[in-house]
Amino acid sequence: KQEVTQIPAALSVPEGENLVLNCSFTDSAIYNLQWFRQDPGKGLTSLLLIQSSQREQTSGRLNASLDKSSGRSTLYIAASQPGDSATYLCAVTSGSRLTFGEGTQLTVNP
Amino acid sequence: NAGVTQTPKFRILKIGQSMTLQCTQDMNHNYMYWYRQDPGMGLKLIYYSVGAGITDKGEVPNGYNVSRSTTEDFPLRLELAAPSQTSVYFCASSYGPQGGYQPQHFGDGTRLSIL
Repeated sequence: KQEVTQIPAALSVPEGENLVLNCSFTDSAIYNLQWFRQDPGKGLTSLLLIQSSQREQTSGRLNASLDKSSGRSTLYIAASQPGDSATYLCAVTSGSRLTFGEGTQLTVNP
Repeated sequence: NAGVTQTPKFRILKIGQSMTLQCTQDMNHNYMYWYRQDPGMGLKLIYYSVGAGITDKGEVPNGYNVSRSTTEDFPLRLELAAPSQTSVYFCASSYGPQGGYQPQHFGDGTRLSIL
């Protein structure tokens, strides 16, 4: 059974700091890995999708990497802003199922 | 472009009552999903559909039913509400399957409390 773990569960940083969120998964036989953002009271917004054959994806200040063999992914956020405050979830697709981690709650302080 | 729309946004039910959570999407996506999210937890798949008339169970289907009569709509039915079904329910859709290149689009959720 695929299990996805995110560390840390919560993170508070000052504005402008570069930060890394971590995601690990137990079964390396995945099709893709996605990073989502969830704002309070809202649904999930897909940020980045990395196919199993890819090593990384970039969008603006966000960069996600994937090391399938070690079962790890990182989301790097450059020059963090208060508007980045949200919960970030990673999810992996294996078989016909999308398995989510429990998320990292990020607070960026002005 | 509305995307994925869920109604209602909030609901309180008594134990044993029934209700239907509505979900509609206007992106002509074949794939639709229902998830539940308990506090501090990730999302768990309840049911999914790969097209009109085709549905299948996810990880936690017990106590729920779905139907998919049109491409746009994918309602979730609770027949006998139980306190364990208190959760936030998310509907999502995608152009292709979960293992494909297209991400899922999510609605804003229905917050359901069973008392």
